[in-house]
Amino acid sequence: DAKTTQPNSMESNEEEPVHLPCNHSTISGTDYIHWYRQLPSQGPEYVIHGLTSNVNNRMASLAIAEDRKSSTLILHRATLRDAAVYYCILRDRHNQGGKLIFGQGTELSVKP
Amino acid sequence: GAVVSQHPSRVICKSGTSVKIECRSLDFQATTMFWYRQFPKQSLMLMATSNEGSKATYEQGVEKDKFLINHASLTLSTLTVTSAHPEDSSFYICSAREDGNYGYTFGSGTRLTVV
Repeated sequence: DAKTTQPNSMESNEEEPVHLPCNHSTISGTDYIHWYRQLPSQGPEYVIHGLTSNVNNRMASLAIAEDRKSSTLILHRATLRDAAVYYCILRDRHNQGGKLIFGQGTELSVKP
Repeated sequence: GAVVSQHPSRVICKSGTSVKIECRSLDFQATTMFWYRQFPKQSLMLMATSNEGSKATYEQGVEKDKFLINHASLTLSTLTVTSAHPEDSSFYICSAREDGNYGYTFGSGTRLTVV
């Protein structure tokens, strides 16, 4: 799976939107973009995924650049419980059952 | 939704002893499960892929004789840390994917401390 690049850390204020960027310039046409987050002392949890079109679910939105070389995870109103490490991971659509490799992720802190 | 249960959540053992960690898929069958290790302030590192009814596939640099994996049923995989040493102290996490789901479900992790 291709590599992703994320900022090491970001800060946000409570109740404000947060935009978490991810660069994946070597993405292939069959790679899905997945986001997971890990709250302190817990296992990661799935957040959202997409291929080409922007996606929304109850947790977040995923905005994908037209050339697919970057994407942004959007938390519309950050809460203190959103403080976590967010991981952007590429997964080949033909290898959906295969192993998941984590990069360093972005540590999001939320200030009250 | 899919739930993965991991037990114990926390364990302290003496150096030289073995520790077994269980990972169960509660409401789905998982032919494949994954085991990760995470040191403080670091990302998750994949240790091995656990395959039901066959041998696990270990990542490069992971000692298969030290980290024994058994996946005897479609809902249970176990990781045994043998002859544990203080450097094995870490956060161990398992995951599985339910067929039809895009996302992987993770256990809540096991904090192992070897003294």
